[in-house]
Amino acid sequence: AQKVTQAQTEISVVEKEDVTLDCVYETRDTTYYLFWYKQPPSGELVFLIRRNSFDEQNEISGRYSWNFQKSTSSFNFTITASQVVDSAVYFCALSSTGRRALTFGSGTRLQVQP
Amino acid sequence: SQTIHQWPATLVQPVGSPLSLECTVEGTSNPNLYWYRQAAGRGLQLLFYSIGIDQISSEVPQNLSASRPQDRQFILSSKKLLLSDSGFYLCAWSVGSSFEKLFFGSGTQLSVL
Repeated sequence: AQKVTQAQTEISVVEKEDVTLDCVYETRDTTYYLFWYKQPPSGELVFLIRRNSFDEQNEISGRYSWNFQKSTSSFNFTITASQVVDSAVYFCALSSTGRRALTFGSGTRLQVQP
Repeated sequence: SQTIHQWPATLVQPVGSPLSLECTVEGTSNPNLYWYRQAAGRGLQLLFYSIGIDQISSEVPQNLSASRPQDRQFILSSKKLLLSDSGFYLCAWSVGSSFEKLFFGSGTQLSVL
C-alpha cells in the first residue's frame, strides 16, 4: 500500500523567514517518483518538482530546495526567504510502478504574513 | 501548447439532483485523464482515471461515475447527488507512464445542499 503523510496541516510564517514543509511516504516499490505541487488560492495545482527514487541528490531551484532522504522515507521542501506569494497549499505526492495515478498527501497550508 | 478546460467553475446543486462535470484537453493525443476530489481541508482523493476511450478505472466505490466518449474528453457524472459529494473536483491529464507529472484544470467547486 502507498501512503503520503504531511503532518503539518498549517504553517504561518512572516515574510523572509525560511520554512520547511515535511513529507513522509510509504511504498513497497523500489522504483517510484516523488512530487511536490502548489495550490494557490485560485485552486489549480501547479507542478513544482519530480524526483525519482534513485536520485537522492538535493535539488535547489531559486528559493526552493528539496531534501530527499530514502533512509527516513522523507522528501522535504524548504522555501528560503519566504514571500507573500508563496502562500498556498502544498501537496506532496507519490507515484510507483504499481499504480496509474499519484497518491497525494493531505497538504500543508502555508501562510506568509507581510 | 497543451491546455485543459474544466467547467463549470462553481456549481450548487440540491441533494438528489444529477451531476455532469466536463473536462477537455487540447494540444495532446491519447492523454491519461483523471478526476480527483478535494474535500474541505483534506488532500486529493483519486476518483477515476482513464488511459483511453471507454477505459475507465474507479478508485473509490461511490455514486459517481465517469465516461470518456472522446480521446480528450472526460466526464464526471452522478444520477443522484449526496451531501457528501460536496467538494472541489479537479480534472488532470498526463502523457506516458504513471511517473509523469500531472497537469491540472482549474477545478469545480461543488456544493450539494
